[in-house]
Order: sequence, then C-alpha cells, then structure tokens
Amino acid sequence: AQSVSQHNHHVILSEAASLELGCNYSYGGTVNLFWYVQYPGQHLQLLLKYFSGDPLVKGIKGFEAEFIKSKFSFNLRKPSVQWSDTAEYFCAVNNDYKLSFGAGTTVTVRA
Amino acid sequence: DAGVIQSPRHEVTEMGQEVTLRCKPISGHNSLFWYRQTMMRGLELLIYFNNNVPIDDSGMPEDRFSAKMPNASFSTLKIQPSEPRDSAVYFCASSLKAQPQHFGDGTRLSIL
Repeated sequence: AQSVSQHNHHVILSEAASLELGCNYSYGGTVNLFWYVQYPGQHLQLLLKYFSGDPLVKGIKGFEAEFIKSKFSFNLRKPSVQWSDTAEYFCAVNNDYKLSFGAGTTVTVRA
Repeated sequence: DAGVIQSPRHEVTEMGQEVTLRCKPISGHNSLFWYRQTMMRGLELLIYFNNNVPIDDSGMPEDRFSAKMPNASFSTLKIQPSEPRDSAVYFCASSLKAQPQHFGDGTRLSIL
C-alpha cells in the first residue's frame, strides 16, 4: 500500500519568509501528485498537481513544487509567504483512483 | 461550475439517532468519494464510487455506516445509530477518474 509522509507537523514563520514543506511517498509505480490547502474552516482546495512532464510545477498563489523521482519526493515551496497563507497543507498521491493523503502540515504565518 | 454541494453544513444530534449526509457531485464527474476528517486521524477515505457503483468501501468504520449513490448526481452517507465518536467533518469529493478531486464544503457533525 502506498503511504505519504509529510515531514513537519507545524511550521511557524514570519511574513516574507520562505516556505518549504517536505513530502515523500512510498509507491514505485506511476503516480500523480498533488498539494491541497485547507484554510481555517474551509474545504480542501487544489494548489497544484503533477502528472508528467516538467518536474517543477507552478500552482496558484505563488506556490510551486518539485517532483524528484529518485527521492520519491514532491516538496512544496513559496519564496515569500503572506499572513493569508496560514492554513493546513496536504500532500496527496493518486494511483488509479485512490488518493492517499499525508497527515498535513499546519502553517502559521505571523504578521 | 457549482462545485460539489453538501448538506447539511452542520448537524448536531443525540447519540442513537440516524444521521444522513448528502452530496451532489460536479456534473459530469464519474467518481465520488466520502472522507472523514478528525484531529486524531486526519483525512480518511470512507468509500469510493465509480459510475454510481461502490468500488472500495474498506474505509467504512463499521456496519453502522452505509453509503448509496442512486444516480450520478446524488449520494448519501448514513450513520445509524450514531455515536459520539462519529463526530467529525465529513467531506464529499468528486472527480473524473485520476483527475484532481474537488471537495465540497463538508458537513460538521456533532453527536452528543
């Protein structure tokens, strides 16, 4: 069975700081990779996805992620965070229909 | 695009009562998922439908939980009888197979 590991449970940083959230998965076949964001009290929204092609994927709100196949990783980055980026971030891996989620990383951005 | 529509948004009921959660997927999507989110266990997939047929219900906690999809535009998740440990946020999501899932706003369920 595939699994998804997110390295950090809670990250606290100041506005304008850079953000990187780690994600590793444990499936050797062809996978599709996603990052979802959940703002307080809201549903999950898709930030970005990787299916194939350029391993550096750009998403909404200035986020990007890099797929490194040899490391089974799909880390999320943002060069300069804003207070409004405070949310929970989920990495997910899709093989066929099943979407496996990581435990999530809570990001708190201090103004 | 109306998105995935769930109802009710909030439900508070006493233990032992029957609870029915409803979901309308995005038109044209052929896959529907029910998830449960709690602080302790995170996001858990309960059941997955493809073309209205349940494909994987291995995540359904126990016989008190049941889900149906009578047609392509409607699904229900039922808990009978409900227990306090069922308190959680229940999300419905839909997609075209292997495409990103679109989530509804969720139903926040509290069992007293």
